[in-house]
Amino acid sequence: KQEVTQIPAALSVPEGENLVLNCSFTDSAIYNLQWFRQDPGKGLTSLLLIQSSQREQTSGRLNASLDKSSGRSTLYIAASQPGDSATYLCAVNEGAQKLVFGQGTRLTINP
Amino acid sequence: DAGVIQSPRHEVTEMGQEVTLRCKPISGHDYLFWYRQTMMRGLELLIYFNNNVPIDDSGMPEDRFSAKMPNASFSTLKIQPSEPRDSAVYFCASSPVQGGDGYTFGSGTRLTVV
Repeated sequence: KQEVTQIPAALSVPEGENLVLNCSFTDSAIYNLQWFRQDPGKGLTSLLLIQSSQREQTSGRLNASLDKSSGRSTLYIAASQPGDSATYLCAVNEGAQKLVFGQGTRLTINP
Repeated sequence: DAGVIQSPRHEVTEMGQEVTLRCKPISGHDYLFWYRQTMMRGLELLIYFNNNVPIDDSGMPEDRFSAKMPNASFSTLKIQPSEPRDSAVYFCASSPVQGGDGYTFGSGTRLTVV
């Protein structure tokens, strides 16, 4: 059974710092991997989607990498801002239309 | 497009009552998913549809839960009878193609069963 783990569970950093969020999964037979953002009381917003054949994807200050063989993905946020404060969720798609989510990393950027 | 629309946003009901959650997917999306989010278990897939047909309902917790999709623009998730442990946020999501590309989530329904 696929299990997705996100470390750390919570992270607090000062504004302007670069940071890395980690995601690991137990079964490397995935179709793709997505990073989502969730604000308190809100739904999920897709940030980046990496296909299994890709190594990384970039969108603005965000960069996500994927190492399928080792079962790892990272989300890099450059020059963090208070508006980046949210919970970040990693999800793997095993190709059966099921997204298996990690528990998320709650990120706080302090002004 | 207004995105995935869920109603109600909040629902408070007494134990034993029937609860119906509603979802309108994005027009043209072939897949519709129902997820449940709790602090203890995180996000869990309950059931998903392809072209209005239920494909996998293995995540539905028990027979008290049922889901329907009578047409391409509407789905319901029903709990009857409801129990306090059903309290959670229920999300609906839709996707246009196989493989999860373009997953779009609704804002969720926060259900409280007292």
